[in-house]
Amino acid sequence: NAGVMQNPRHLVRRRGQEARLRCSPMKGHSHVYWYRQLPEEGLKFMVYLQKENIIDESGMPKERFSAEFPKEGPSILRIQQVVRGDSAAYFCASSPWSRALNTEAFFGQGTRLTVV
Amino acid sequence: AQTVTQSQPEMSVQEAETVTLSCTYDTSESDYYLFWYKQPPSRQMILVIRQEAYKQQNATENRFSVNFQKAAKSFSLKISDSQLGDAAMYFCAYRSDSGGSNYKLTFGKGTLLTVNP
Repeated sequence: NAGVMQNPRHLVRRRGQEARLRCSPMKGHSHVYWYRQLPEEGLKFMVYLQKENIIDESGMPKERFSAEFPKEGPSILRIQQVVRGDSAAYFCASSPWSRALNTEAFFGQGTRLTVV
Repeated sequence: AQTVTQSQPEMSVQEAETVTLSCTYDTSESDYYLFWYKQPPSRQMILVIRQEAYKQQNATENRFSVNFQKAAKSFSLKISDSQLGDAAMYFCAYRSDSGGSNYKLTFGKGTLLTVNP
């Protein structure tokens, strides 16, 4: 059973370009969460998605950032017109459901985005 | 809103010795979970140990144990017989088990643990 798969591991973009980060959840998991880790910081919640639904995007910057989790295929975190401040590690996690008492999210290895 | 504070940016320990990493949190809720995650240089977030707030007994996983003081809102991690492979960034995290945001993890800023041979 493969874990949460994120790609690419490293992504370099010039200012103004678009960045697309992909996350394939663990098999059987239908809940996906994106977190961002800025340098010297802990992970911060960005968005929670279920298949074809955005449940909570309260941690997403209001502009340039969007996320989707289509019926088929991976979840995508999209950053348009990247700026240097977007440079960070972006982590995806998945879980089989959100309210199970003893579940926890399983994390991918993250995508390190560098904006030059 | 919940906050998690790790007051030790860096810690070091000699191989085979014991080290304790501190974590405090702030919440008005009674039902929640606390976690310690390990992040080695590979960046993979690895769950080390989990504590349910309703359990009085401290969680233990092999060489890792916690000291959970609910009234003091303290959740420290003790690593016994430290090994070189324990060197990593350690994050304390909180998750509510009530209300509408019971899926969010709130992380501290982390403690970088160095293990000296």
